[in-house]
Amino acid sequence: GQNIDQPTEMTATEGAIVQINCTYQTSGFNGLFWYQQHAGEAPTFLSYNVLDGLEEKGRFSSFLSRSKGYSYLLLKELQMKDSASYLCAVKDSNYQLIWGAGTKLIIKP
Amino acid sequence: GAVVSQHPSRVICKSGTSVKIECRSLDFQATTMFWYRQFPKQSLMLMATSNEGSKATYEQGVEKDKFLINHASLTLSTLTVTSAHPEDSSFYICSAGQGKGNQPQHFGDGTRLSIL
Repeated sequence: GQNIDQPTEMTATEGAIVQINCTYQTSGFNGLFWYQQHAGEAPTFLSYNVLDGLEEKGRFSSFLSRSKGYSYLLLKELQMKDSASYLCAVKDSNYQLIWGAGTKLIIKP
Repeated sequence: GAVVSQHPSRVICKSGTSVKIECRSLDFQATTMFWYRQFPKQSLMLMATSNEGSKATYEQGVEKDKFLINHASLTLSTLTVTSAHPEDSSFYICSAGQGKGNQPQHFGDGTRLSIL
């Protein structure tokens, strides 16, 4: 079957750096996506990776290793507003998005 | 960037009422739209894939007669929750993407449905 694993919850301190990992096993691969979802709101797109390596976008970076079925989302200079759930999703060979359960990130002052 | 509009944002109604939710792609054509449901503190659950001009594809366990989907144009898909009951209360979210490729799905703002 298809599976995406990410930690259920993480805690970090304001101003620090946090890395949220995602591992996947899917039938085919057509890109990996990271979304942010604040409580009670719809997800918003953060980044996508289709080739190995690091994609940087301001305070957020996303890394992909296709051979290892692994990605991480790196958040720098954490702010209180970064408290949210972070969802990892992979497009399989049929271009269907397979979703992880999300990682709830708690930022403490 | 791509924008997806979803209405209404919140619905409160009596048990037995049918509720229609609209999802529009505002600046691109979407041959495929997706409908999700999310219960409090749980992950997104794909309910169905809405295909323009053809029948929707429902995920296992989702009743197609309960959740009617119509995708009549390249910019509009509707989800109707028929004869809603309290257990249908949830956060319903639509999304659409620009073609297959590696383009991300963009989400509407969601509809919070509360059935009394």
